[in-house]
Amino acid sequence: GAVVSQHPSRVICKSGTSVKIECRSLDFQATTMFWYRQFPKQSLMLMATSNEGSKATYEQGVEKDKFLINHASLTLSTLTVTSAHPEDSSFYICSAREPGAQPQHFGDGTRLSIL
Amino acid sequence: GQQVMQIPQYQHVQEGEDFTTYCNSSTTLSNIQWYKQRPGGHPVFLIQLVKSGEVKKQKRLTFQFGEAKKNSSLHITATQTTDVGTYFCAGRLFSGGYNKLIFGAGTRLAVHP
Repeated sequence: GAVVSQHPSRVICKSGTSVKIECRSLDFQATTMFWYRQFPKQSLMLMATSNEGSKATYEQGVEKDKFLINHASLTLSTLTVTSAHPEDSSFYICSAREPGAQPQHFGDGTRLSIL
Repeated sequence: GQQVMQIPQYQHVQEGEDFTTYCNSSTTLSNIQWYKQRPGGHPVFLIQLVKSGEVKKQKRLTFQFGEAKKNSSLHITATQTTDVGTYFCAGRLFSGGYNKLIFGAGTRLAVHP
């Protein structure tokens, strides 16, 4: 089945550091990928829709300059949390859909902890 | 704004008892999907419902999509300890030029042996 790989799985770093998270579709091409954020025991909140070859579409309230998204190829999207602060600590999950299919396949997520 | 509401937030049952979680949208959905997330894991796709009034079964799980395509439910018969996890509904709707999947808050199921 379709597999989405997300890396790294866990990041612990100091406040002010920028952190890059990668999301790859391993066996299919994904023109669109999605980035979610999940706080403990809460739901997944859609942050942005990543589009290959064009700018990402951000949800209301998500800072574009804070969460930089790049979707340079059909199998890779990256999310960079710039100048991260403790309040950015969260579980970030990416997902992708196979062309023409509905189910979204999720990566394993990245647990980000900012000290 | 567009929301997908899900209740209850938490359900605690004895093994063998039934369990139901309900999902309601403020807008008509093109389809609804259900996911299961185990503690520490990522959401795993369970099923998709597309048609008005659709009912689908997967062993002990029964999924329903309302006639107005605004609500859905997941019913588990005779729960087992392996059913433990958080069940999310996710409604697909077209917004801002894109097909988006909006998740409900999830229902966390605890099953006691």
